[in-house]
Amino acid sequence: GAVVSQHPSRVICKSGTSVKIECRSLDFQATTMFWYRQFPKQSLMLMATSNEGSKATYEQGVEKDKFLINHASLTLSTLTVTSAHPEDSSFYICSAPQKGPPNYGYTFGSGTRLTVV
Amino acid sequence: DQQVKQNSPSLSVQEGRISILNCDYTNSMFDYFLWYKKYPAEGPTFLISISSIKDKNEDGRFTVFLNKSAKHLSLHIVPSQPGDSAVYFCAAKNNQGGSEKLVFGKGTKLTVNP
Repeated sequence: GAVVSQHPSRVICKSGTSVKIECRSLDFQATTMFWYRQFPKQSLMLMATSNEGSKATYEQGVEKDKFLINHASLTLSTLTVTSAHPEDSSFYICSAPQKGPPNYGYTFGSGTRLTVV
Repeated sequence: DQQVKQNSPSLSVQEGRISILNCDYTNSMFDYFLWYKKYPAEGPTFLISISSIKDKNEDGRFTVFLNKSAKHLSLHIVPSQPGDSAVYFCAAKNNQGGSEKLVFGKGTKLTVNP
């Protein structure tokens, strides 16, 4: 089945530095990638949608300059958290959709636990 | 505005009994509903789904029921097994405008006791 590989699984960084998270579709082409973040005991909140070859679409309240998204190829989308602060500490997950039921092919990556110290 | 609500943050059941997880939604434009299972520090995995034109879908031990008039769906797991212990997310898809976005509930943590 479809697999989305997400790296790193866990990262600790200092305040003010940038962190890049990668999501690769291993056996299919992902023209779209959804990026979510999850705070403890909270839902998965959609941050942005990346589209191969075009600019990402950000949800209301998400800072474009802080969360840089690049979707340079049909198999790779990256999220860069720039000038990270402790409040950016969260669990970030990517998901690539495919057409059709039963799952509509919403394959999720394994997530990245970001801790900013 | 929470369009998908899972009002029970946690549920505990005995092994072999039925687990019932509930989900309510407010947006009548949702046309497809999905349940995901999530373990800590992992991405969600798809469990079962149902189209808005149906009222029941069954897959092994898992059955999802949809009551459109009440904007309510539920996931039944029977018999429950300790390995079912995880957080279960209800998600809804709005086909309006061709959007592929999913809206998630906050999740219900299920604990199945041996």
